[in-house]
Amino acid sequence: QSVLTQPPSVSGAPGQRVTISCTGSSSNIGAGYDVHWYQQLPGTAPKLLIYGNTNRPSGVPDRFSGSKSGTSASLAISGLQAEDEADYYCQSYDSSLSGSVFGGGTKLTVL
Amino acid sequence: QITLKESGPTLVKPTQTLTLTCTFSGFSLSTSGVGVGWIRQPPGKALEWLALIYWDDDKRYSPSLKSRLTITKDTSKNQVVLTMTNMDPVDTATYYCSHTNIRGVLLYWGQGTLVTVSS
Repeated sequence: QSVLTQPPSVSGAPGQRVTISCTGSSSNIGAGYDVHWYQQLPGTAPKLLIYGNTNRPSGVPDRFSGSKSGTSASLAISGLQAEDEADYYCQSYDSSLSGSVFGGGTKLTVL
Repeated sequence: QITLKESGPTLVKPTQTLTLTCTFSGFSLSTSGVGVGWIRQPPGKALEWLALIYWDDDKRYSPSLKSRLTITKDTSKNQVVLTMTNMDPVDTATYYCSHTNIRGVLLYWGQGTLVTVSS
């Protein structure tokens, strides 16, 4: 059971917009700690997608956006493309565990 | 250009100790704010954060594995070593090392190394 809760799967047709939620608690997201998002394509290492809740590293398309409110965060992907089919993970810091925690991951299927 | 690469055994026996080395380039672990972390991923499962070490030798461990983990750094060699004792088949996973900072962002990742625990 992951400390951060994500839906196991989401799906959408090409061109559509999907969102992936990441629900935490008062010891992590709700305590104000940053949320970061990673994309993992099959057979590859995770890649940073969003850092500090809303920021995109250089090279990440602006189709990807992040938000945070209360004890939750969300990753939105607009203009879905086939190449977006991957697993997505959220990550934050947890003060009660004194370390980083990941969500359980969400598999995005592009229909 | 920042790169990281994990190395170590691909197969260990139950109860043995695993030693993994992360060799990196493009940054220094003596730079303020910089750290190296270890994350693992069992086949078909989610990422699990294990440990990290900062430039000032501050070390953090996953509470559930703390008794089995030790993380050290050799700044002169640009290496970070993770040891995990008493290995069990459930520890079979791909182990990644990653460049991190005090905000916890894992910006650069190694390619990962698959470790199988089996007799």
